[in-house]
Amino acid sequence: GESVGLHLPTLSVQEGDNSIINCAYSNSASDYFIWYKQESGKGPQFIIDIRSNMDKRQGQRVTVLLNKTVKHLSLQIAATQPGDSAVYFCAERQDFNKFYFGSGTKLNVKP
Amino acid sequence: DSGVTQTPKHLITATGQRVTLRCSPRSGDLSVYWYQQSLDQGLQFLIHYYNGEERAKGNILERFSAQQFPDLHSELNLSSLELGDSALYFCASSVGQTPLHFGNGTRLTVT
Repeated sequence: GESVGLHLPTLSVQEGDNSIINCAYSNSASDYFIWYKQESGKGPQFIIDIRSNMDKRQGQRVTVLLNKTVKHLSLQIAATQPGDSAVYFCAERQDFNKFYFGSGTKLNVKP
Repeated sequence: DSGVTQTPKHLITATGQRVTLRCSPRSGDLSVYWYQQSLDQGLQFLIHYYNGEERAKGNILERFSAQQFPDLHSELNLSSLELGDSALYFCASSVGQTPLHFGNGTRLTVT
């Protein structure tokens, strides 16, 4: 149920563009998914979550899409800003109370 | 500020030693989770406590142990430390079916 990260993939986008960060999760029985943002020197910060009975959820400037058929989760950030530069992690919940994290994607926003 | 407090922020110690990391969860949160974050392993789930009782174990080494006290704060004890234990250790708390809220971590360096 865990993923192992070796090299952090990087997504570079221009300020103002939309960003899409993808995540493949491991367990088809996972019932709850969360996206986190982690800035240097800080703990992961909650962005948005989605339950397995949904396929889309929108927040402020962010949208999460869930495709259970292929076990895929994506985070869309609209009008990306320099302050969005960080590492983004997806997390899946298994067995009611175990949260497993993906290896992360580094988002680099160019001004 | 997530409301989760971790102390100390930094810890430097020698191989073979024992350390204790402390976590105070958000007010009202009964669940405490511990995670290890190192460069080559991402965020690894260690252990989960709920209202003083251990609820789930992840990849926690036998040299590591944790507990949650009646006031809900938690401690992670790491003993017989090895160089490979150098990492960021995060605590997260939650209540019910909600996302985890993380502290800013303790950076452990074993020399």
